[in-house]
Amino acid sequence: KNEVEQSPQNLTAQEGEFITINCSYSVGISALHWLQQHPGGGIVSLFMLSSGKKKHGRLIATINIQEKHSSLHITASHPRDSAVYICAVPDLIQGAQKLVFGQGTRLTINP
Amino acid sequence: DAGVIQSPRHEVTEMGQEVTLRCKPISGHDYLFWYRQTMMRGLELLIYFNNNVPIDDSGMPEDRFSAKMPNASFSTLKIQPSEPRDSAVYFCASSPGTGGSETQYFGPGTRLLVL
Repeated sequence: KNEVEQSPQNLTAQEGEFITINCSYSVGISALHWLQQHPGGGIVSLFMLSSGKKKHGRLIATINIQEKHSSLHITASHPRDSAVYICAVPDLIQGAQKLVFGQGTRLTINP
Repeated sequence: DAGVIQSPRHEVTEMGQEVTLRCKPISGHDYLFWYRQTMMRGLELLIYFNNNVPIDDSGMPEDRFSAKMPNASFSTLKIQPSEPRDSAVYFCASSPGTGGSETQYFGPGTRLLVL
């Protein structure tokens, strides 16, 4: 089973700061997912990437396949970015359709 | 499209009662996933379907849990009898292709409390 580790588990920052959340996994993958879970509980898929970098607004996701590591960056953070960010990878041993999730990073941005 | 629809959004029941959670996936999506989220274990896959056929139910905790997908637009997750440890948020998600390499779209979740 693919093991997924996220760091930090909790992160508090001031509005405007640059945020980095890290994700490491144990088994080579075809794609990595970053999800956002709002305080109300809803889950939204932010990115799915298999190489390089993707950017959407102030969010940037990078992945290094060789090092089995991905980062999610938020530039000019805002209180509305406060959420839990979850990294997920396919469990290739059990079947590529199954996702294995990290424990999540709880981000709080203070005004 | 309305996205993935789940009902009910909240459910409070007593131990021993039957609970049925419902999900309508996004039209045209071939994969449907049922997840459970708890504070202790985070998000866990319970079961997933491909073209209405259950493919992997190894995440289903025990025989008290069952899931069906009678057609492409409807799925149910049933717990009978329910126990307090089943209290969690249950998410349904759908995907147009293989869930590992395609974006999954999550429903709003059903918050279940078993007393």
